[in-house]
Amino acid sequence: GEDVEQSLFLSVREGDSSVINCTYTDSSSTYLYWYKQEPGAGLQLLTYIFSNMDMKQDQRLTVLLNKKDKHLSLRIADTQTGDSAIYFCAERRDYGQNFVFGPGTRLSVLP
Amino acid sequence: EPEVTQTPSHQVTQMGQEVILRCVPISNHLYFYWYRQILGQKVEFLVSFYNNEISEKSEIFDDQFSVERPDGSNFTLKIRSTKLEDSAMYFCASSTQRGQETQYFGPGTRLLVL
Repeated sequence: GEDVEQSLFLSVREGDSSVINCTYTDSSSTYLYWYKQEPGAGLQLLTYIFSNMDMKQDQRLTVLLNKKDKHLSLRIADTQTGDSAIYFCAERRDYGQNFVFGPGTRLSVLP
Repeated sequence: EPEVTQTPSHQVTQMGQEVILRCVPISNHLYFYWYRQILGQKVEFLVSFYNNEISEKSEIFDDQFSVERPDGSNFTLKIRSTKLEDSAMYFCASSTQRGQETQYFGPGTRLLVL
C-alpha cells in the first residue's frame, strides 16, 4: 500500500521495554525517523536511521531496520511514565523533501 | 540548542477570514516546510520552500494557501479564506540542506476555524 502503518496503541508497565513497530512503503526511502509528540506539544525528533544501517542505539532507544520486510521498530528500554506520548514513524522517500508519517502509536506507561 | 519557533501557539478565526501563521526556522537552515495535523489524524506534508520559491507541494496545498519568506528570519503560511476543514495543528520545519538527514519541527500553531 501507499501508507506508512503503525499499530495505534501500546500499553506497558513502568520499567518494562516498549517496542513500537512501523511498516513503511518505499524501498528507496533513504532515512527513517522516529518522532515523539507529547500532549499538546510539537514533534520532537527522537532518532533516525539511514537506510544502509540495520540497527542504531542511542541510550535507552534502539532502532531496528529490516529492509527486506520494510519494517522499522523502536525499542525503549526501562520505559518511564515520561515516555507516555504518541510516537510517529516517518520516511523520507527517494531524496524527496517531504516526510511521510505513520498514524502514530499512543504509548501508555502504567505504574 | 537552536530550535524552530512558531507564533501564535493558538489562533481562532471565522470561516472565510485570512490567517497568517508565522515560523522562525533555525538560523543556518535553508529548507523550510509546512505540515498539518488534523485532530486525531496523521501529520501531512503541505509544502517545501527553498531559495525563495516553492520546491514541492502536496495536493492539500491549493490556491488558498501561500508561503513567503518576507525577511531573513520569518517563514509564513497564509490561508486566504479559511474553511472549517482547515482546523488543524500546523507545524513548521526546517533543515540545513536537501538530503540532510532530518527536519526540525516547531511546536505548532493550533488553528480553529469557526
